[in-house]
Amino acid sequence: QAVVTQEPSLTVSPGGTVTLTCDSSTGAVTSGHYPYWFQQKPGQAPRTLIYDTSNKHSWTPARFSGSLLGGKPALTLSGARPEDEAVYYCSLWSGGVVVFGGGTRLTVL
Amino acid sequence: EVQLVESGGDVVKPGGSLRLSCAASGFTFSNARMSWIRQAPGKGLEWVGRIKTKAEGGTTDYAAPVKGRFTISRDDSKDTLYLQMNSLKIEDTAVYYCAKYRDDYWGQGTLVTVSS
Repeated sequence: QAVVTQEPSLTVSPGGTVTLTCDSSTGAVTSGHYPYWFQQKPGQAPRTLIYDTSNKHSWTPARFSGSLLGGKPALTLSGARPEDEAVYYCSLWSGGVVVFGGGTRLTVL
Repeated sequence: EVQLVESGGDVVKPGGSLRLSCAASGFTFSNARMSWIRQAPGKGLEWVGRIKTKAEGGTTDYAAPVKGRFTISRDDSKDTLYLQMNSLKIEDTAVYYCAKYRDDYWGQGTLVTVSS
């Protein structure tokens, strides 16, 4: 089973840009791994931010975008706002199961 | 309005059993692949497993830590998803969420505590 690794923590300035990545121990990730990105704020259930690499939900702010960068799923936040402070998780479909990364705690400061 | 409401969380001793339920409304449940995801206190998200639709055969997939101990089932006549948990271990302590996460449908979670 793959191990999925994310940056434990990142800090971005208000209005700044930051990219979170998701690394799989089994090698390069493709769209066939169906990368997802989730946002979780304290005391709340997660929300699905991005599905299938780059697709957004109606609620997903336009400042968030998903992509594959060098074989890794990436979540880019352009124009960070204080309300974007949260833990972000990625997940991959690998070997018949879904594997979550450990999460990235994003601070907007 | 879409709602997923979990219930059944409780305190149980190691080796015990528990069944969680997830009542769905606001969407066509019988057409939905459904998942269980858990989160241990202060930890990250962990996928537990999923069930496909009856039209797809209703097959299930499980994460390695729960395979053989947990069973996911569904009752489309009641729009309800279940998670039968047997041989519970201390490390199964977590908030359990049911979700159709592709569509951003999540329940509020139910807490399962395994403790002697």
